[in-house]
Amino acid sequence: DAGVIQSPRHEVTEMGQEVTLRCKPISGHNSLFWYRQTMMRGLELLIYFNNNVPIDDSGMPEDRFSAKMPNASFSTLKIQPSEPRDSAVYFCASSLERSPAGTQYFGPGTRLLVL
Amino acid sequence: AQSVSQHNHHVILSEAASLELGCNYSYGGTVNLFWYVQYPGQHLQLLLKYFSGDPLVKGIKGFEAEFIKSKFSFNLRKPSVQWSDTAEYFCAVNAGGGADGLTFGKGTHLIIQP
Repeated sequence: DAGVIQSPRHEVTEMGQEVTLRCKPISGHNSLFWYRQTMMRGLELLIYFNNNVPIDDSGMPEDRFSAKMPNASFSTLKIQPSEPRDSAVYFCASSLERSPAGTQYFGPGTRLLVL
Repeated sequence: AQSVSQHNHHVILSEAASLELGCNYSYGGTVNLFWYVQYPGQHLQLLLKYFSGDPLVKGIKGFEAEFIKSKFSFNLRKPSVQWSDTAEYFCAVNAGGGADGLTFGKGTHLIIQP
């Protein structure tokens, strides 16, 4: 079975540009999570969706960040405009809410570098 | 809000040594506890989890962890490590319902010397 799919795997952009990260969750999973990993702050939850509805976006750092989930099989995380401090690895994870403990399965991540 | 503390940021061991990585959490309610591993250049993989029942849980690759509620701890153990265990290990927690996002510790970088 395919796991969580993220694209692109690597993104290099210049400050001020718009960046869009994409995620396809595991088929049948109804919860989707976006995390950011940096050396300084470790792994942080940015936002999560349940049945395509955003539940908690308190981790989104600024208004420059936005996330959408138009359907059960696709989500985007957008940064506009991007800044060098946004450089990080962005992970998407999905889970089946009804499963014990709601185990989350992670994608390979998108490594973002903003110059 | 939950928080997770991992005591050791870097651990260096020789092959066949025993391993114990500390994890303490802060949360007043029922929790689910996880250990994830991130091998170099790879994504996070679940090692094991606890949500109810036997507080001693066994995971993949010979790892186990013990939930001690009175100490708010969930330490990871392995009796004999291998060079291939070199990786970053993350302890994580979410609230009892299991539908919330995870709160992660800062991670422990484990290096196994052959």
